[in-house]
Amino acid sequence: DQQVKQNSPSLSVQEGRISILNCDYTNSMFDYFLWYKKYPAEGPTFLISISSIKDKNEDGRFTVFLNKSAKHLSLHIVPSQPGDSAVYFCAAILRGDMRFGAGTRLTVKP
Amino acid sequence: DGGITQSPKYLFRKEGQNVTLSCEQNLNHDAMYWYRQDPGQGLRLIYYSQIVNDFQKGDIAEGYSVSREKKESFPLTVTSAQKNPTAFYLCASSISAGGKTQYFGPGTRLLVL
Repeated sequence: DQQVKQNSPSLSVQEGRISILNCDYTNSMFDYFLWYKKYPAEGPTFLISISSIKDKNEDGRFTVFLNKSAKHLSLHIVPSQPGDSAVYFCAAILRGDMRFGAGTRLTVKP
Repeated sequence: DGGITQSPKYLFRKEGQNVTLSCEQNLNHDAMYWYRQDPGQGLRLIYYSQIVNDFQKGDIAEGYSVSREKKESFPLTVTSAQKNPTAFYLCASSISAGGKTQYFGPGTRLLVL
């Protein structure tokens, strides 16, 4: 039962443009959402998070949007840089139980 | 320097052999977790521990065992009962069981000979 889904396994964008990574979830009781970034052969690193009581959180080039009615989460990266190329996982938490999506591989071309 | 360390980076297992993956943290976190990552899949929870001397099964605990004798250490043993052990194993910790953010180690890739 995959409660958190990232339907796009890969995304390719040009340097300087916007990257939009999407995530859908099925359980409306999730109360906290996170994005992690992962380079090959390394552990994921925390990027940005949002509580279910908010609809937007911004940190530099990274903005996370939450649409609770649609059970949809997105991560915007503006402007995209080649160093942003990595796999991005979204995660959702309910009472300390964290569920991960399958990840989206972002490639930013120079 | 606070963080989570995992060793070894690569581990080879022979048929019928038990192997143990190390995870150590010096963040003074109470909760620790083990995940498995397979290609095209998200991270799946194997075991977690909310406090010393306590641990709980995750979604895919069969064929694995853990111990939590010290706060800073949470080793994972992949037993011979785990029929498909080839994967990337990630250890994580959070300040408490309800902590929102988990911090991950660099991972161990386990390969079967």
